[in-house]
Amino acid sequence: DVKVTQSSRYLVKRTGEKVFLECVQDMDHENMFWYRQDPGLGLRLIYFSYDVKMKEKGDIPEGYSVSREKKERFSLILESASTNQTSMYLCASSPLSEIAKNIQYFGAGTRLSVL
Amino acid sequence: KNEVEQSPQNLTAQEGEFITINCSYSVGISALHWLQQHPGGGIVSLFMLSSGKKKHGRLIATINIQEKHSSLHITASHPRDSAVYICAVTTYNTDKLIFGTGTRLQVFP
Repeated sequence: DVKVTQSSRYLVKRTGEKVFLECVQDMDHENMFWYRQDPGLGLRLIYFSYDVKMKEKGDIPEGYSVSREKKERFSLILESASTNQTSMYLCASSPLSEIAKNIQYFGAGTRLSVL
Repeated sequence: KNEVEQSPQNLTAQEGEFITINCSYSVGISALHWLQQHPGGGIVSLFMLSSGKKKHGRLIATINIQEKHSSLHITASHPRDSAVYICAVTTYNTDKLIFGTGTRLQVFP
């Protein structure tokens, strides 16, 4: 079974803090994704990576950065957390596919509260 | 307007009822996905389909490419089916998903 592990289920941080959200997958997947999920808005893509050291902006990258130094690990960084970044954060991974129909495997999510 | 629209947003049912959740999309797609999210957050993939119909246990997913519409049906619903059901699509030449806002289903005994 594919396992995508997010380091924390719940996190409380203060405004201005630097926050690291870690995600590790054990299936040697090329693609990794970070989403945030807010009521009424669904899942929105923050960043994704299709290879080590490669990253691309998603739909809402402002206020975030990412790091992918190893294939299995994709980190989301909030350089200076703000209250509007309070949200559920979900990591996902998928294999590269020839026809781009692949299934994404999700972690359990990290619920971040910024006070 | 969202590229993926789901209806209804919220749904309540009595145990045993037949449930239908609808998804419409406005972009060209290579596949459509139905996902399930239980309280607590974890998301699992139920179906990925690009044509016709798929069945898994009490779940059935259909897609009509010409009408850009998909439905997820649950037969003989059960309280453990209570979850948020999310429709998502992959567009051509991309591995990214575009998500609907989800349908919250509650099934009461």
